[in-house]
Amino acid sequence: DVKVTQSSRYLVKRTGEKVFLECVQDMDHENMFWYRQDPGLGLRLIYFSYDVKMKEKGDIPEGYSVSREKKERFSLILESASTNQTSMYLCASSFGGSVSYEQYFGPGTRLTVT
Amino acid sequence: DQQVKQNSPSLSVQEGRISILNCDYTNSMFDYFLWYKKYPAEGPTFLISISSIKDKNEDGRFTVFLNKSAKHLSLHIVPSQPGDSAVYFCAAREYGNKLVFGAGTILRVKS
Repeated sequence: DVKVTQSSRYLVKRTGEKVFLECVQDMDHENMFWYRQDPGLGLRLIYFSYDVKMKEKGDIPEGYSVSREKKERFSLILESASTNQTSMYLCASSFGGSVSYEQYFGPGTRLTVT
Repeated sequence: DQQVKQNSPSLSVQEGRISILNCDYTNSMFDYFLWYKKYPAEGPTFLISISSIKDKNEDGRFTVFLNKSAKHLSLHIVPSQPGDSAVYFCAAREYGNKLVFGAGTILRVKS
């Protein structure tokens, strides 16, 4: 059974702080993704990675960076948190290639920036 | 501009009846579509998918229909159960393994 875990379920940070969100998957998936979910906007892709040390910008990368030093771990970094980054952050992983495009999601981190 | 649109923010259905959730897309290059279900405080879970070479895919109570000429897909749930109450997201493969998601539809199944 695929498991994607996220380091925190709830997080409260102050404006200007550097924030790290960690994600780990245990299925040896090549691809990993970071999304944010906001009401009325659905899931929007921030960054994704298709291999170790590889990353690609998603649709809303501004204000974020990522790191993937090991295959199973993908970190999202908010360099200087702002109130408009208050959101639900979801990590996902998937197999590479075209066998299936299904993504497996973690439980999410509810981040509040005050 | 949203490439995947779920125009109904919410839907309310009586238990035992059919639930129909709709999704429209604008990019004719999309070739694979997925539906996800999300409960509060949990991550989305995969429900069912369909390739653009098909027009229907069934899995138990869930059926997805694809109308490529209309750029429209729908998810049918028959019969609906209270446990189906959740947010449903439609997604399309843009390229590689990148998915584009709709805004979601909240389904409430009343008992």
